[in-house]
Amino acid sequence: DQQVKQNSPSLSVQEGRISILNCDYTNSMFDYFLWYKKYPAEGPTFLISISSIKDKNEDGRFTVFLNKSAKHLSLHIVPSQPGDSAVYFCAAGSGAGSYQLTFGKGTKLSVIP
Amino acid sequence: SQTIHQWPATLVQPVGSPLSLECTVEGTSNPNLYWYRQAAGRGLQLLFYSVGIGQISSEVPQNLSASRPQDRQFILSSKKLLLSDSGFYLCAWSVLRPDNSPLHFGNGTRLTVT
Repeated sequence: DQQVKQNSPSLSVQEGRISILNCDYTNSMFDYFLWYKKYPAEGPTFLISISSIKDKNEDGRFTVFLNKSAKHLSLHIVPSQPGDSAVYFCAAGSGAGSYQLTFGKGTKLSVIP
Repeated sequence: SQTIHQWPATLVQPVGSPLSLECTVEGTSNPNLYWYRQAAGRGLQLLFYSVGIGQISSEVPQNLSASRPQDRQFILSSKKLLLSDSGFYLCAWSVLRPDNSPLHFGNGTRLTVT
């Protein structure tokens, strides 16, 4: 049972345009969410996070939106750059002393020059 | 600066053979350490985590075990590999729990069990 779903395995976007990566979750106990980016032959690196008390968090070109009622979050990248081409993983966790993060399968973003 | 080393990068092992994957962290003390696996078509799955030397928590019952003989060393082992153990194994560390500090991953080991 997938508790974190990234339904788009891949996404292609033109350079300079907006990239929108989506993530849905089913567990209402999740109270914080993260996005990680992974280049080939490297481990994932942390990108941005959001707590359930917020509905938006912004860091430079990256913005994460959280819609708790829909159990949906999205990562917006504006403007998209060729160096953003990577696999993006959505992850979710619940506080209360847990060390567990539940990851989605990832979405491969290709930014076309 | 902190760095994490994980080796080997790729490994091909026959069914029934033992396994030992090693991970070391530099530049930080008493990190939380993690082993994750990504099987084909699946998301990253937490296998083990450790909050201190000799302290191992298992998240998923399986054919694998983990040990932390030193503060910054984390080892993933198996006595007899199964075909289902194939996957991409990632070691990671964090300063605090994942809700308060990000995970820092190694470059991973691609394990193929034949």
